[in-house]
Amino acid sequence: EIVMTQSPATLSMSPGERATLSCRASQSVSRSLAWYQQKPGQAPRVLIYDASTRATDISDRFSGSGSGTELTLTISSLQSEDFAVYYCQQYSKWPFTFGQGTKLEIK
Amino acid sequence: EVQLVESGGDLVQPGGSLRLSCAASGFTFSKYWMSWVRQAPGKGLEWVARIKEDGSETSYVGSVKGRLTISRDNAKNSLYLQMNSLRPEDTAVYYCARGGAYYGSSWGQGTLVTVSS
Repeated sequence: EIVMTQSPATLSMSPGERATLSCRASQSVSRSLAWYQQKPGQAPRVLIYDASTRATDISDRFSGSGSGTELTLTISSLQSEDFAVYYCQQYSKWPFTFGQGTKLEIK
Repeated sequence: EVQLVESGGDLVQPGGSLRLSCAASGFTFSKYWMSWVRQAPGKGLEWVARIKEDGSETSYVGSVKGRLTISRDNAKNSLYLQMNSLRPEDTAVYYCARGGAYYGSSWGQGTLVTVSS
């Protein structure tokens, strides 16, 4: 199966700053990648799919880039509601797999 | 508005069985792949099983093959997960998700399954 590795595990940042979250795949996933946000006690919510397409009603502060084995989620100008755990997920091959998550916390 | 409501989670002994259900509304259920994704307490996400729109194709992650069975009833807009031979490592919140060919576009709030003696 394709192993997804996210870095860093925890990111401490201040509101207004720009956050960059990385996702590395053990083999190429092309652009078959989604990013999710999960807040405590809630279900995940898709932010980005096909590596760079924002899902419905997702703020343009969220952007995705990359392809192959190196993909990135960027959040420009962090808002208080952005502090959460973020997961990447590949759908290039079954079984679909997630990264272990990056916790974005307030500094 | 898309709604997915899971039910059936419970405390069960190792080796026991459980059936989860997911009631879907707000979209044409029969036109979507559907999936179950689980999350062990304090851990990450694991895509467990998926089923094609008409139920003709199913896929499972290796750790549940032969023990968990995904099914659907398009007439009832419902998704199911039959769980047999449960193990402590199956303890998790189980989410019903719309999607399975690609990504999960909508998720329910989850139902907790606890496997313990």
